[in-house]
Amino acid sequence: SQTIHQWPATLVQPVGSPLSLECTVEGTSNPNLYWYRQAAGRGLQLLFYSVGIGQISSEVPQNLSASRPQDRQFILSSKKLLLSDSGFYLCAWSDPRASGANVLTFGAGSRLTVL
Amino acid sequence: AQRVTQPEKLLSVFKGAPVELKCNYSYSGSPELFWYVQYSRQRLQLLLRHISRESIKGFTADLNKGETSFHLKKPFAQEEDSAMYYCALSDLSGNTPLVFGKGTRLSVIA
Repeated sequence: SQTIHQWPATLVQPVGSPLSLECTVEGTSNPNLYWYRQAAGRGLQLLFYSVGIGQISSEVPQNLSASRPQDRQFILSSKKLLLSDSGFYLCAWSDPRASGANVLTFGAGSRLTVL
Repeated sequence: AQRVTQPEKLLSVFKGAPVELKCNYSYSGSPELFWYVQYSRQRLQLLLRHISRESIKGFTADLNKGETSFHLKKPFAQEEDSAMYYCALSDLSGNTPLVFGKGTRLSVIA
């Protein structure tokens, strides 16, 4: 069966420090991968998605970047965090070959607090 | 551009009362609509999708293309239905990522 892992679960970082959140999927190949940010009152905002290694689409221009160095690995990064980067980040995957290509499976999330 | 609107941030109902969580969308293509749910301390998960035409945990949702709506309904609310509900929209082709609404928190009062 497929599983999705996301870490770290919580992170407290000072303003100006770098960020790396990692997400990996097991039990499948060539998944579509996604990073969303969940904020109270603002819902789920799509940040990045990827349909293959090295292929990243950015939905919102901001202080973050994403990379997909391996088929089942998706990394969210920042060189210098801002206070506004605080939030709950969710990684998700979907199977583009299945009838459920639009069905997302989410990770447990990473809560980032920038001080 | 895709847009999903959930007009209610919070909806409180009594146990046993009917529930309707509203969702309206804007999209010029062939829409596929979903409801996702997040229970306390659990992961966000799929509740139902319009093309399945299923009833999940007593919930149903019908896609109304004329009114561009996909409201979630349940005839008798239960306390365990208390959760955050998100409506989401994509294209039937599967080539566009999901766009979510801002969510509605459902609180079922005993």
